[in-house]
Amino acid sequence: NAGVTQTPKFQVLKTGQSMTLQCAQDMNHNSMYWYRQDPGMGLRLIYYSASEGTTDKGEVPNGYNVSRLNKREFSLRLESAAPSQTSVYFCASKAFGMGDTQYFGPGTRLTVL
Amino acid sequence: RKEVEQDPGPFNVPEGATVAFNCTYSNSASQSFFWYRQDCRKEPKLLMSVYSSGNEDGRFTAQLNRASQYISLLIRDSKLSDSATYLCVVSPFSGGYNKLIFGAGTRLAVHP
Repeated sequence: NAGVTQTPKFQVLKTGQSMTLQCAQDMNHNSMYWYRQDPGMGLRLIYYSASEGTTDKGEVPNGYNVSRLNKREFSLRLESAAPSQTSVYFCASKAFGMGDTQYFGPGTRLTVL
Repeated sequence: RKEVEQDPGPFNVPEGATVAFNCTYSNSASQSFFWYRQDCRKEPKLLMSVYSSGNEDGRFTAQLNRASQYISLLIRDSKLSDSATYLCVVSPFSGGYNKLIFGAGTRLAVHP
């Protein structure tokens, strides 16, 4: 049982390049989330998927797109990377129901030059 | 104003000390409350949920004051391994989907 996995662990992009961050969970969770973490800002929600087949914007969705490929996988795409997107990206998942904790992946450290 | 505010610290304490972290939240409709722990360059992990009656887990005690919109975490007998950043996390009522609002975190450094 691997929990939540993310790939890649590290990535350096040039401004304007595109990439997709991959996330998968093996806990049969319904909800999945993408966050970014910047110094002094706390984690901020980019997009979430409450259940398979649905996605919604979070607090900071601009410049990102997501795909809930199936119940296990939730990917985050940067179409045209900008230096402001330099951050650590965390994927998380949660079982259905209020109060259940979110489980986080190990993160992807992205630098955009 | 941030939705969840924490003192960023760092709190530098000796082993064995008792240390308390505070957190305030702005949304009075918030329903669920948590403390997460984040080690350097690692993912956040749930430390404990916070209940209205207060709750304890070993050396850790969490308290919630809904009237003042205030959450606290007390760590007794600090260990070197407690060194980490502690994130205060709040969730508004949102049915089955659980949106979490994170504070920026309070850093704790426990020294010998």
